[in-house]
Amino acid sequence: EAGVTQFPSHSVIEKGQTVTLRCDPISGHDNLYWYRRVMGKEIKFLLHFVKESKQDESGMPNNRFLAERTGGTYSTLKVQPAELEDSGVYFCASSQAFGGGHHEQYFGPGTRLTVT
Amino acid sequence: AQKITQTQPGMFVQEKEAVTLDCTYDTSDPSYGLFWYKQPSSGEMIFLIYQGSYDQQNATEGRYSLNFQKARKSANLVISASQLGDSAMYFCAMREIVRTGANSKLTFGKGITLSVRP
Repeated sequence: EAGVTQFPSHSVIEKGQTVTLRCDPISGHDNLYWYRRVMGKEIKFLLHFVKESKQDESGMPNNRFLAERTGGTYSTLKVQPAELEDSGVYFCASSQAFGGGHHEQYFGPGTRLTVT
Repeated sequence: AQKITQTQPGMFVQEKEAVTLDCTYDTSDPSYGLFWYKQPSSGEMIFLIYQGSYDQQNATEGRYSLNFQKARKSANLVISASQLGDSAMYFCAMREIVRTGANSKLTFGKGITLSVRP
């Protein structure tokens, strides 16, 4: 079974440009999460999809970030326009069930975004 | 709000010895789960072990065990018989357990770098 995949693995863009990150969760996982780690800091939650619906987007930093999950399958995270402080590693994770219990989140390898 | 604290600087351990990585947490939620993830230099996040707040026994998974002290709000990871491949960054995380289905995001600590010496 394929794990969570993310594309691209690394992106270098200039300030003001647009970048779109993609995440393909594990097949059958309804829950999809985006996290971000800025250098030297904690991994921070951005948002959570259940199927195609945004369950929680409390971690989205501002309206330059737009996440979508068309048809409840893969998800994209667009940053437009990118700023220097957006640099970091963006992780996507998916999990199988919803609500209580163990249900660990399986993480993708991350996309390293560098804004210059 | 939930908070995870990992304050140890880089940790070093001799191969085949045991090491404890500290994690303290703060939450007002009555029911929660605690996780440890490993991030090797390749970058992926690997799930290691889980402890539920109402679990009576400390969790164990192979060479990993979790020293859960609920009253002290600590969830330290113990790695026994360290191997060179254990060199990585380790993250402690927690999430609220909500049975009706709501927010289940993970809250992470800053992580601890472990280096295993041959």
